[in-house]
Amino acid sequence: EVQLVQSGAEVKKPGESLKISCKGSGYSFTSYWIGWVRQMPGKGLEWMGIIYPGDSDTRYSPSFQGQVTISADKSISTAYLQWSSLKASDTAMYYCARPITMVQGVLYDAFDIWGQGTMVTVSS
Amino acid sequence: EIVMTQSPATLSVSPGERATLSCRASQSVSSNLAWYQQKPGQAPRLLIYGASTRATGIPARFSGSGSGTEFTLTISSLQSEDFAVYYCQQYNNWPPKYTFGQGTKLEIK
Repeated sequence: EVQLVQSGAEVKKPGESLKISCKGSGYSFTSYWIGWVRQMPGKGLEWMGIIYPGDSDTRYSPSFQGQVTISADKSISTAYLQWSSLKASDTAMYYCARPITMVQGVLYDAFDIWGQGTMVTVSS
Repeated sequence: EIVMTQSPATLSVSPGERATLSCRASQSVSSNLAWYQQKPGQAPRLLIYGASTRATGIPARFSGSGSGTEFTLTISSLQSEDFAVYYCQQYNNWPPKYTFGQGTKLEIK
């Protein structure tokens, strides 16, 4: 079964660092892009960025460039989303997702496999 | 940035009736448009991609249409499990800025 399994919920204080994970299984992890999506409480979906684990090519939405870091460790089929200094406004559910199509390079595709989400709460 | 605008924000429909949801792009996205369903406490679920192709396992009562800037998701006969929030997403640019609409909440009338 193809699936993405995300790490568990986190409660952090402002200024702390955090790295959450998304582990792929049941498919060739290095051959599909992995995207990250934010959903703030009671709000809609926001596209954050994407990584190709095969060569770590990473692209960010302008709104998230410099705010987060996306990475991947292909040896353990895991993608990451990390913050160096959390803010209260980072409180949200974060989803990883995989596109339908296996492609390296330019991607024009929807996302059919989603992780279960990781809830990040930042509060003093 | 391509802005996706969904209407209405909330749609009240009775079970068994048809629901029509709209999505408009601020510039052409060709047919690079997807629809997702999200229920409370769950991850989004892909319904439609390529503006009109149903994803694997999606019932035939879900259909998508449109191209360019105007898109529609139609649910032909609403079932109880269809009441949820629906998002459109464009994936027509590279580097990717795959923007979502703000969502339409489909509620029971």
